[in-house]
Amino acid sequence: GDSVTQMEGPVTLSEEAFLTINCTYTATGYPSLFWYVQYPGEGLQLLLKATKADDKGSNKGFEATYRKETTSFHLEKGSVQVSDSAVYFCALSSNSGYSTLTFGKGTMLLVSP
Amino acid sequence: DTEVTQTPKHLVMGMTNKKSLKCEQHMGHRAMYWYKQKAKKPPELMFVYSYEKLSINESVPSRFSPECPNSSLLNLHLHALQPEDSALYLCASSRTVNTEAFFGQGTRLTVV
Repeated sequence: GDSVTQMEGPVTLSEEAFLTINCTYTATGYPSLFWYVQYPGEGLQLLLKATKADDKGSNKGFEATYRKETTSFHLEKGSVQVSDSAVYFCALSSNSGYSTLTFGKGTMLLVSP
Repeated sequence: DTEVTQTPKHLVMGMTNKKSLKCEQHMGHRAMYWYKQKAKKPPELMFVYSYEKLSINESVPSRFSPECPNSSLLNLHLHALQPEDSALYLCASSRTVNTEAFFGQGTRLTVV
Protein backbone atom coordinates (compact mmCIF):
# COMPACT_ATOMS: atom_id res chain seq x y z
CA GLY A 1 0.00 0.00 0.00
CA ASP A 2 0.87 3.66 -0.08
CA SER A 3 3.14 5.10 2.59
CA VAL A 4 4.98 8.31 3.47
CA THR A 5 8.13 8.52 5.56
CA GLN A 6 9.25 11.78 7.14
CA MET A 7 12.31 12.62 9.17
CA GLU A 8 11.66 12.48 12.88
CA GLY A 9 11.70 15.66 14.89
CA PRO A 10 11.81 17.88 16.57
CA VAL A 11 13.91 19.96 14.23
CA THR A 12 15.34 22.86 16.21
CA LEU A 13 16.71 25.90 14.35
CA SER A 14 17.66 29.47 15.02
CA GLU A 15 15.83 32.24 13.21
CA GLU A 16 17.09 32.82 9.63
CA ALA A 17 18.55 29.31 9.37
CA PHE A 18 17.97 27.08 6.33
CA LEU A 19 15.31 24.40 6.69
CA THR A 20 15.05 20.98 5.11
CA ILE A 21 12.48 18.39 6.13
CA ASN A 22 12.90 15.11 4.27
CA CYS A 23 9.95 13.19 2.88
CA THR A 24 9.97 10.01 0.81
CA TYR A 25 7.02 8.01 -0.42
CA THR A 26 5.93 4.64 -1.73
CA ALA A 27 2.96 4.55 -4.06
CA THR A 28 1.71 2.90 -7.21
CA GLY A 29 1.29 5.05 -10.26
CA TYR A 30 1.73 8.81 -10.13
CA PRO A 31 0.50 10.25 -6.84
CA SER A 32 -0.07 13.90 -6.01
CA LEU A 33 2.11 15.14 -3.16
CA PHE A 34 1.34 17.70 -0.46
CA TRP A 35 2.80 19.47 2.52
CA TYR A 36 0.41 20.48 5.28
CA VAL A 37 1.26 22.62 8.31
CA GLN A 38 -0.43 22.51 11.70
CA TYR A 39 0.12 25.37 14.13
CA PRO A 40 -0.48 24.69 17.84
CA GLY A 41 -4.16 24.24 18.64
CA GLU A 42 -5.26 24.54 15.03
CA GLY A 43 -6.31 22.39 12.09
CA LEU A 44 -4.16 21.51 9.08
CA GLN A 45 -3.42 24.08 6.40
CA LEU A 46 -2.39 23.11 2.89
CA LEU A 47 1.07 24.64 2.45
CA LEU A 48 1.94 23.49 -1.08
CA LYS A 49 1.37 20.74 -3.58
CA ALA A 50 2.79 19.09 -6.70
CA THR A 51 0.84 16.86 -9.02
CA LYS A 52 3.46 15.47 -11.41
CA ALA A 53 7.15 14.68 -11.62
CA ASP A 54 9.53 17.68 -11.56
CA ASP A 55 6.76 20.05 -10.44
CA LYS A 56 7.85 22.52 -7.79
CA GLY A 57 5.27 23.61 -5.25
CA SER A 58 5.91 26.87 -3.43
CA ASN A 59 4.15 29.08 -0.89
CA LYS A 60 5.21 31.57 1.83
CA GLY A 61 8.90 30.98 1.07
CA PHE A 62 8.59 27.19 1.33
CA GLU A 63 9.40 24.98 -1.65
CA ALA A 64 9.30 21.29 -2.51
CA THR A 65 10.11 19.50 -5.76
CA TYR A 66 8.45 16.25 -6.85
CA ARG A 67 11.34 13.87 -7.57
CA LYS A 68 10.06 10.64 -9.08
CA GLU A 69 13.51 9.10 -9.51
CA THR A 70 14.17 9.33 -5.76
CA THR A 71 10.47 9.17 -4.71
CA SER A 72 11.01 12.27 -2.60
CA PHE A 73 9.30 15.59 -1.85
CA HIS A 74 11.60 17.40 0.57
CA LEU A 75 10.42 20.67 2.11
CA GLU A 76 12.86 23.62 2.12
CA LYS A 77 12.90 27.22 3.24
CA GLY A 78 15.84 29.55 2.95
CA SER A 79 15.33 31.55 6.13
CA VAL A 80 12.95 30.38 8.85
CA GLN A 81 11.10 32.63 11.27
CA VAL A 82 9.86 32.01 14.80
CA SER A 83 6.33 32.05 13.36
CA ASP A 84 7.18 28.95 11.27
CA SER A 85 7.24 26.83 14.43
CA ALA A 86 4.63 24.14 13.79
CA VAL A 87 4.18 20.51 12.81
CA TYR A 88 4.66 19.73 9.13
CA PHE A 89 2.98 16.74 7.48
CA CYS A 90 3.93 15.29 4.12
CA ALA A 91 1.05 13.52 2.39
CA LEU A 92 0.16 11.81 -0.87
CA SER A 93 -2.97 10.99 -2.81
CA SER A 94 -2.82 8.23 -5.38
CA ASN A 95 -4.65 9.44 -8.44
CA SER A 96 -5.91 6.02 -9.39
CA GLY A 97 -9.07 4.51 -8.08
CA TYR A 98 -10.70 5.80 -4.95
CA SER A 99 -7.93 7.41 -2.97
CA THR A 100 -7.71 9.61 0.08
CA LEU A 101 -4.71 11.20 1.78
CA THR A 102 -1.89 9.11 3.23
CA PHE A 103 0.04 11.12 5.83
CA GLY A 104 3.54 10.89 7.17
CA LYS A 105 3.96 10.96 10.95
CA GLY A 106 4.72 14.67 11.01
CA THR A 107 7.82 16.66 11.87
CA MET A 108 7.79 19.30 14.58
CA LEU A 109 9.81 22.44 13.81
CA LEU A 110 10.91 24.70 16.63
CA VAL A 111 12.51 28.04 15.69
CA SER A 112 14.16 30.14 18.38
CA PRO A 113 14.93 33.88 18.15
CA ASP B 1 -12.36 31.23 -0.17
CA THR B 2 -10.90 27.97 1.15
CA GLU B 3 -12.71 27.89 4.45
CA VAL B 4 -14.11 24.90 6.24
CA THR B 5 -15.97 25.89 9.40
CA GLN B 6 -16.36 23.55 12.34
CA THR B 7 -18.47 24.02 15.46
CA PRO B 8 -18.04 23.88 18.35
CA LYS B 9 -14.33 24.53 18.82
CA HIS B 10 -14.30 22.78 22.19
CA LEU B 11 -16.67 20.18 23.64
CA VAL B 12 -16.70 18.38 26.96
CA MET B 13 -19.18 15.54 27.27
CA GLY B 14 -19.99 12.75 29.66
CA MET B 15 -20.00 9.13 28.62
CA THR B 16 -23.81 9.01 28.59
CA ASN B 17 -24.32 12.22 26.63
CA LYS B 18 -25.36 12.67 23.00
CA LYS B 19 -23.75 15.51 21.09
CA SER B 20 -23.07 16.50 17.50
CA LEU B 21 -20.15 18.08 15.68
CA LYS B 22 -20.91 20.26 12.69
CA CYS B 23 -18.92 21.12 9.58
CA GLU B 24 -19.76 23.50 6.73
CA GLN B 25 -18.08 24.47 3.46
CA HIS B 26 -19.22 26.71 0.61
CA MET B 27 -16.55 25.92 -1.95
CA GLY B 28 -18.77 23.59 -3.97
CA HIS B 29 -16.69 20.61 -2.91
CA ARG B 30 -18.36 17.23 -3.38
CA ALA B 31 -16.17 15.19 -1.04
CA MET B 32 -16.18 15.67 2.74
CA TYR B 33 -14.26 13.86 5.44
CA TRP B 34 -14.04 13.27 9.17
CA TYR B 35 -10.63 12.66 10.72
CA LYS B 36 -9.59 11.94 14.30
CA GLN B 37 -6.24 13.24 15.54
CA LYS B 38 -4.57 12.26 18.78
CA ALA B 39 -1.73 14.31 20.23
CA LYS B 40 1.57 14.11 18.32
CA LYS B 41 0.01 11.86 15.63
CA PRO B 42 -1.16 12.44 12.06
CA PRO B 43 -4.88 12.58 11.34
CA GLU B 44 -6.63 9.21 11.01
CA LEU B 45 -9.41 8.94 8.45
CA MET B 46 -12.83 8.01 9.86
CA PHE B 47 -15.42 8.63 7.12
CA VAL B 48 -15.61 9.87 3.54
CA TYR B 49 -18.70 11.25 1.84
CA SER B 50 -18.69 11.65 -1.92
CA TYR B 51 -21.65 13.39 -3.55
CA GLU B 52 -23.47 13.16 -0.21
CA LYS B 53 -23.17 9.38 -0.03
CA LEU B 54 -21.06 7.56 2.53
CA SER B 55 -18.18 6.06 0.56
CA ILE B 56 -15.67 5.00 3.18
CA ASN B 57 -16.12 3.97 6.80
CA GLU B 58 -12.76 3.04 8.28
CA SER B 59 -14.24 0.50 10.71
CA VAL B 60 -15.29 3.26 13.07
CA PRO B 61 -17.30 2.17 16.16
CA SER B 62 -21.05 2.74 15.89
CA ARG B 63 -20.95 5.29 18.72
CA PHE B 64 -19.80 7.67 15.95
CA SER B 65 -22.54 8.30 13.38
CA PRO B 66 -21.90 10.57 10.39
CA GLU B 67 -24.56 12.41 8.43
CA CYS B 68 -24.40 14.52 5.28
CA PRO B 69 -27.68 16.50 5.02
CA ASN B 70 -26.58 18.32 1.85
CA SER B 71 -23.50 19.07 -0.21
CA SER B 72 -22.34 21.85 2.16
CA LEU B 73 -22.91 20.26 5.54
CA LEU B 74 -21.42 17.33 7.42
CA ASN B 75 -22.33 16.22 10.92
CA LEU B 76 -20.82 13.72 13.31
CA HIS B 77 -23.23 12.43 15.95
CA LEU B 78 -21.66 11.18 19.16
CA HIS B 79 -23.25 8.82 21.68
CA ALA B 80 -21.91 6.82 24.61
CA LEU B 81 -18.31 7.77 23.98
CA GLN B 82 -15.34 6.52 25.97
CA PRO B 83 -12.53 8.61 27.49
CA GLU B 84 -10.15 7.24 24.85
CA ASP B 85 -12.28 8.98 22.21
CA SER B 86 -10.97 12.31 23.47
CA ALA B 87 -9.13 13.88 20.54
CA LEU B 88 -9.15 16.64 17.95
CA TYR B 89 -11.83 15.92 15.33
CA LEU B 90 -11.10 17.45 11.96
CA CYS B 91 -13.45 17.97 9.07
CA ALA B 92 -12.07 18.39 5.56
CA SER B 93 -13.43 18.86 2.06
CA SER B 94 -12.10 18.54 -1.47
CA ARG B 95 -13.40 19.14 -4.96
CA THR B 96 -13.53 15.40 -5.53
CA VAL B 97 -12.02 12.48 -3.64
CA ASN B 98 -8.63 12.48 -5.38
CA THR B 99 -7.90 16.22 -5.06
CA GLU B 100 -6.30 18.27 -2.31
CA ALA B 101 -8.23 18.54 0.91
CA PHE B 102 -8.90 21.66 2.96
CA PHE B 103 -9.27 21.27 6.69
CA GLY B 104 -11.30 23.05 9.33
CA GLN B 105 -9.87 24.22 12.64
CA GLY B 106 -11.15 21.15 14.42
CA THR B 107 -13.25 20.39 17.49
CA ARG B 108 -11.29 19.55 20.63
CA LEU B 109 -13.40 16.83 22.29
CA THR B 110 -12.93 15.72 25.87
CA VAL B 111 -14.93 12.77 27.19
CA VAL B 112 -15.22 12.63 30.97
